Amino acid sequence: AQSVTQPDIHITVSEGASLELRCNYSYGATPYLFWYVQSPGQGLQLLLKYFSGDTLVQGIKGFEAEFKRSQSSFNLRKPSVHWSDAAEYFCAVGSLYKYIFGTGTRLKVLA
Amino acid sequence: DAGVIQSPRHEVTEMGQEVTLRCKPISGHNSLFWYRQTMMRGLELLIYFNNNVPIDDSGMPEDRFSAKMPNASFSTLKIQPSEPRDSAVYFCASSPTSGGANEQFFGPGTRLTVL
Repeated sequence: AQSVTQPDIHITVSEGASLELRCNYSYGATPYLFWYVQSPGQGLQLLLKYFSGDTLVQGIKGFEAEFKRSQSSFNLRKPSVHWSDAAEYFCAVGSLYKYIFGTGTRLKVLA
Repeated sequence: DAGVIQSPRHEVTEMGQEVTLRCKPISGHNSLFWYRQTMMRGLELLIYFNNNVPIDDSGMPEDRFSAKMPNASFSTLKIQPSEPRDSAVYFCASSPTSGGANEQFFGPGTRLTVL
């Protein structure tokens, strides 16, 4: 069955520290992979996506993600977190016409 | 570009009342999605339209829920009668074309509270 797992429900980091959010997927074919961010009271915004090619993908707001087929992972990273990055982050796999979303990781940033 | 527009942004109603949520997708997009977000169940796809036709409504929880897309620029999600367990944030999203490879553009959501 197709699924997306985000094992960390909550993560807290200090401002300026590096960040890695984990995402594992189960999908039978080459996946289309996405990371979305949801700020409080807002809808979801696309950070980055992977379809094929270079396995390191650059996105908006200084985020990047690396596709690792052998580990079925698509982890999101940022070298230096800003207070404005506090939000909920969703990993998704694109399947046929729709997404399968993970349960989300809520990021808290300490000043 | 105005993005996906949803109304109302907040809705408080009493159990048993009819609730109608509205969505205007981005002009030119031919795919439209309705999602429900709760703490317990996360983001759930309720229904997917392509070219105004419902393609997948397997996520619609009960017959109390119905959705329509009378034209390319408007969709509604109706709950009748509403129940407290319907309290959630409902998102509408649109996409330029069909296919899981495409970015979905989300509206700001409607926060529904059923008392």
